[in-house]
Amino acid sequence: QSVLTQPPSVSGAPGQRVTISCSGSGSNIGAGYDVHWYQQLPGRAPKLLIYNDDNRPSGVPDRFSGSSSGTSASLAISGLQAEDEADYFCQSFDSNLSGSRVFGGGTKLTVL
Amino acid sequence: QVQLQESGPRLVKPSGTLSLTCAVSGGSVSSTNWWTWVRQPPGTGLEWIGEIYHSAGTNYNPSLKSRVTMSVDKSKNQFSLNLNSVTAADTAIYFCARAVGRPSGRYFPVWGQGILVTVSS
Repeated sequence: QSVLTQPPSVSGAPGQRVTISCSGSGSNIGAGYDVHWYQQLPGRAPKLLIYNDDNRPSGVPDRFSGSSSGTSASLAISGLQAEDEADYFCQSFDSNLSGSRVFGGGTKLTVL
Repeated sequence: QVQLQESGPRLVKPSGTLSLTCAVSGGSVSSTNWWTWVRQPPGTGLEWIGEIYHSAGTNYNPSLKSRVTMSVDKSKNQFSLNLNSVTAADTAIYFCARAVGRPSGRYFPVWGQGILVTVSS
């Protein structure tokens, strides 16, 4: 069981907007620790999508955005495209686990 | 642009030691970065294994700490992972990555392609 909880799957039609949630607790997201998001295409290594809650690395389209509030964080993808079909993982820091970095269980995004 | 490449045995016997190396190119392993290992059992999610700084500071996942050792070889510009007493549960794709950011907020902007290691007799 992951420390950060994500829905196993989400789906949307091309052009639509979807959000993926990442639920934590007072020892990670709720303590104000940054949340980061990764996209993993089939058979590929994860790719950094969002860092420090809401920042995009160079080259990541502005269709991707992140936010964090309370004990949860969210990744939003607008203008859904077929190439967005992938697994998405959130990542943070947990002070209850001897300073361990933790990942969510991952969410499979299907573009209908 | 830093690039990373994992290498090592792809098959390890139960109770043996898993040993992997991550070669760093386009940059120095002695730079102001932490270097990380993450694994992904087939069809499941990501698990952070630990991280190492070039001056030998380390942080390990508490669930693996008793079995993990990481090291840096500055002369070869690479860093390594050793995981002992392996079982089938350690079968996974192992990724190396560069970690940046403040201690409580590190993230991973650069990843190796990953290497599948199977634990089996």
